Amino acid sequence: GENVEQHPSTLSVQEGDSAVIKCTYSDSASNYFPWYKQELGKGPQLIIDIRSNVGEKKDQRIAVTLNKTAKHFSLHITETQPEDSAVYFCAARGLSGGYNKLIFGAGTRLAVHP
Amino acid sequence: SQTIHQWPATLVQPVGSPLSLECTVEGTSNPNLYWYRQAAGRGLQLLFYSVGIGQISSEVPQNLSASRPQDRQFILSSKKLLLSDSGFYLCAWRSGSMTRGLYNEQFFGPGTRLTVL
Repeated sequence: GENVEQHPSTLSVQEGDSAVIKCTYSDSASNYFPWYKQELGKGPQLIIDIRSNVGEKKDQRIAVTLNKTAKHFSLHITETQPEDSAVYFCAARGLSGGYNKLIFGAGTRLAVHP
Repeated sequence: SQTIHQWPATLVQPVGSPLSLECTVEGTSNPNLYWYRQAAGRGLQLLFYSVGIGQISSEVPQNLSASRPQDRQFILSSKKLLLSDSGFYLCAWRSGSMTRGLYNEQFFGPGTRLTVL
C-alpha cells in the first residue's frame, strides 16, 4: 500500500541553526504534500504545503522542496527559535481513496535549544 | 472563516462503557470529514472519513463506528470501550469544493483526549 517515510524521528538543534526534515513517498500519483506542526496537547497545524506542479515554496523561515523524480520532499526551517520545538508531520495525498486521504509520516520531534 | 469544534476536550471512561465524540465544522458546506487517533507519542492513524452525509469509509477494523447525520457534523462512537481505545482523537475537515485557496488543505480540530480505565 501507500507509504510515507519520514526522517529523522528526533532532531535537536541550537537556536539559530537550520533544521531539515525529509520524507519519501511511494505513490507516484501523489499530487499534494502538506506539513503539519503539532505542539503538546494540541491538534496538528498546517504550516506549509506544496503541490506537484511546484518544486519549491517558501513562507518566511519555512520552505518546502519537492523532487517528483526521486519521490521525496523536505521541510527546511531556518534561524530556528525555541518556539519551533514541536512534532512535525509530513503527508502525501494520492490515488488511495480517490485523492481523499492523506498518508502521514511517523513524525519528527524537533527540539530547539536556547 | 471556517472553524472546527470537538467535544468534549477530555474524557475518562471505564472499560465497557459507551462512547460518543462529536465534531462540527462551521463556515463551509459539504466538507470531507475525518477521524484520526493518536496514541501517546505516536503518529496519526486514520480511522474513518466521509465525503458526504451518510457516506462513511472505514480504514481500520475495530470496535469504533462513525456517523455523519448532518453535513457538518461527524460523530465517533463505541458501544463498549476497550483499554486500547485510549488516545487523542482528532477530527479534521477538508473543503470538498473548488474554492480558491481551500481546495486541498486539510485542517485539524483541537482534539479529545480519551482515557479508558
